[in-house]
Amino acid sequence: DARVTQTPRDKVTEMGQEVTMRCQPILGHNTVFWYRQTMMQGLELLAYFRNRAPLDDSGMPKDRFSAEMPDATLATLKIQPSEPRDSAVYFCASGLAPGTEAFFGQGTRLTVV
Amino acid sequence: GQNIDQPTEMTATEGAIVQINCTYQTSGFNGLFWYQQHAGEAPTFLSYNVLDGLEEKGRFSSFLSRSKGYSYLLLKELQMKDSASYLCAVYNTDKLIFGTGTRLQVFP
Repeated sequence: DARVTQTPRDKVTEMGQEVTMRCQPILGHNTVFWYRQTMMQGLELLAYFRNRAPLDDSGMPKDRFSAEMPDATLATLKIQPSEPRDSAVYFCASGLAPGTEAFFGQGTRLTVV
Repeated sequence: GQNIDQPTEMTATEGAIVQINCTYQTSGFNGLFWYQQHAGEAPTFLSYNVLDGLEEKGRFSSFLSRSKGYSYLLLKELQMKDSASYLCAVYNTDKLIFGTGTRLQVFP
């Protein structure tokens, strides 16, 4: 059963703490996206990778966010230090190639208090 | 720049037909996608258009006009379970950009 897996599903943390979100893309997919979803902004593209190489992370606040793909089975999104305005649902999605459908993980609901 | 516009909310009656419009302006185009997202869940793929015209998939159809930067999603024989958000997304060269979504409420 091929699916994108994200951990953790829920995270509550205090302002200033580091948060790491993990994503396992579908095996064989070479494109990985990180999105943030809020009621006000909808789905915002934060960063994306092709064949593990970061192509564009212009959607991320560079001073506190970082995205990496240490290997083909793991993508990470880190926030350090976290702030209350980072509270949102973070989705990872993977696709076979550009122009093909992207499959979404179940998301990580982050609450920063 | 890039811009994808959809109506924020729509309502319809069970059994009816509803059309959700999407207009886009992007620097590149490599396909237009529609996703469905129920509250508290992840988006799921509905349909895909890369050439002009209508794609039909059961109760759902999607139309694309590249020259007009316009697409619509048509939902027929509406059911209560179709109450969800519908997201229009454009592959701008190699990145998938989403509109803010249209929240559809189906009433009995």
